Amino acid sequence: GAGVSQTPSNKVTEKGKYVELRCDPISGHTALYWYRQSLGQGPEFLIYFQGTGAADDSGLPNDRFFAVRPEGSVSTLKIQRTERGDSAVYLCASSLSGGRSEQFFGPGTRLTVL
Amino acid sequence: SQQGEEDPQALSIQEGENATMNCSYKTSINNLQWYRQNSGRGLVHLILIRSNEREKHSGRLRVTLDTSKKSSSLLITASRAADTASYFCATDATSGSRLTFGEGTQLTVNP
Repeated sequence: GAGVSQTPSNKVTEKGKYVELRCDPISGHTALYWYRQSLGQGPEFLIYFQGTGAADDSGLPNDRFFAVRPEGSVSTLKIQRTERGDSAVYLCASSLSGGRSEQFFGPGTRLTVL
Repeated sequence: SQQGEEDPQALSIQEGENATMNCSYKTSINNLQWYRQNSGRGLVHLILIRSNEREKHSGRLRVTLDTSKKSSSLLITASRAADTASYFCATDATSGSRLTFGEGTQLTVNP
């Protein structure tokens, strides 16, 4: 595609529910990143995939957060037992090969946990 | 945790003036990148400067990097109302490829 796409653009859920956020990277990009941005702050790193494998998941805040990229393209960020503090914009980025490549960001998914 | 710190946190100028934003970081880096964000959504990549470069230009943008001071500046010349946005610096450390962002500068350009 022309750019990184994310769905849904907005997600409202209730505390305790499970949510899935999807990211479609730029075709051919082997590296994929998830970030989380709270209001008034810069994005914070969550996880980085190189191909199908998570090369660095050290930014995931706890075991309620999990992400997959089974075929090395689309990725899904999964959040179990959502809490109000999970409310944020979740941003996905992809790059051609990771490392020193430029990262291209999607429009984000705004998650609101009531 | 946030590595970078931008200053000022907010900047308000008149159209046609220049805007300068600064960024400091803490660890050794491969690259430093500047991004722009409108309305808290997608980030648009503006410019990337490598650790062995000192200055880079792109259109009305000029970026400098001083690795001895662990700092960078972004200059936007002849600003326009459409430049109103949040601007973030982001670094990728020599040990990995994740980006570490600062907290951003909110630029307002008044017509």
